[in-house]
Amino acid sequence: NAGVMQNPRHLVRRRGQEARLRCSPMKGHSHVYWYRQLPEEGLKFMVYLQKENIIDESGMPKERFSAEFPKEGPSILRIQQVVRGDSAAYFCASSLLGQSNTEAFFGQGTRLTVV
Amino acid sequence: AQSVTQLDSQVPVFEEAPVELRCNYSSSVSVYLFWYVQYPNQGLQLLLKYLSGSTLVKGINGFEAEFNKSQTSFHLRKPSVHISDTAEYFCAVSETGANNLFFGTGTRLTVIP
Repeated sequence: NAGVMQNPRHLVRRRGQEARLRCSPMKGHSHVYWYRQLPEEGLKFMVYLQKENIIDESGMPKERFSAEFPKEGPSILRIQQVVRGDSAAYFCASSLLGQSNTEAFFGQGTRLTVV
Repeated sequence: AQSVTQLDSQVPVFEEAPVELRCNYSSSVSVYLFWYVQYPNQGLQLLLKYLSGSTLVKGINGFEAEFNKSQTSFHLRKPSVHISDTAEYFCAVSETGANNLFFGTGTRLTVIP
């Protein structure tokens, strides 16, 4: 049973380009979470999605960031017109149930570098 | 609003010595508490969690943590560390019924041979 798969592991983008980060949850999990880890900081919640629905996007920046979790395929975190401050590690997690007391399994992350 | 404080950003400790990584939280409602470990260039792995019941929680790799409600703490302990325990450790809090985790800034544990 494969864990949470994120790709790419490393992504380099020039300022102004778009970054697309993909996350395939564990088999059977329909709840996906995205977190961002800035250098020397802890993870910060961005968005929580279920299949085809955004449940909580309270941690998402208001502009340039969007997320989706379609009926088929992985969840996508999209960052348009990237800036240097977007450089971070982006982690995806999935869980079987949507409650905080069930274990969330994390992927290995995508490290985005904006040059 | 909830917050998590990990006072020690770095903790060096000799191999086979005991270690305690501190975590304090603040919240106006009931919480669930978690410790995660992050090895270099890896994702986070759950070490242990407190949901309810016994305040002493045992996790993987010989780690344990004690929930102290009066002190709003959830310190992580291990009686004898190994080189392989070198990693970043994150304390996290989730308010009951919430859908996301709130993380501390992490403690980097370095085990010295």
